[in-house]
Amino acid sequence: QVQLVQSGIEMKKPGATVKVSCKASGYKFVDYGISWVRQAPGQGLEWMGWLSPYNGKTDYVQRFQGRVTMTTDTPTSTAYMELRSLTSDDTAVYYCARDWGLIKSGGVVDYWGQGTLVTVSS
Amino acid sequence: IQMTQSPSSLSASVGDRVTITCRASQDIRRDLAWFQQHPGKAPKRLIYGASTLHSGVPSRFSGSGSGTEFTLTISSLQPEDFATYVCQQHHAYPTFGQGTRVEVK
Repeated sequence: QVQLVQSGIEMKKPGATVKVSCKASGYKFVDYGISWVRQAPGQGLEWMGWLSPYNGKTDYVQRFQGRVTMTTDTPTSTAYMELRSLTSDDTAVYYCARDWGLIKSGGVVDYWGQGTLVTVSS
Repeated sequence: IQMTQSPSSLSASVGDRVTITCRASQDIRRDLAWFQQHPGKAPKRLIYGASTLHSGVPSRFSGSGSGTEFTLTISSLQPEDFATYVCQQHHAYPTFGQGTRVEVK
């Protein structure tokens, strides 16, 4: 069955960088994209961007451009999301999700990781 | 594209029929999905393409609509259905509704 397993809780200070991993199994990793979505405490879901494990192409929401980098390690079927210059506003649960967009960003997501809580506090 | 759900919350009993509405700020054709989210858990897809049931989802869930107005219906609410339901469009950069919390009456 499709599974996405994310890395554990992170606590960071303002200005720091966080890197969240997402290990996929149960399907061919390079046949689907990966989207990253975050959810601040008590808030709604916010799509951050997408990447293609097939060709490494990425598509980031403008508000995160310059601060986020999404990558993959195909041999280990793992996707990564790095967010820099953290502020308290970045405190959220970060999710990866399998995306049916492979050549370009689609936003059609089906299976999600369990989420990674990132807390930014001094 | 802004997605607006109504109501923001509702109280219902087991066995009730529940309907949730999602409106898009512009025409999104049928590029809409519905997710269920329990507290502290990841969203689970229920519906895609506005009305297609995701694999393994009980048939008491159904979706309808196109263009700017969509509905999610639970025909007979079960105990495990008390959760938050979220719509998402992927016609443009994906955006989500604010969620509808279904609570025990």
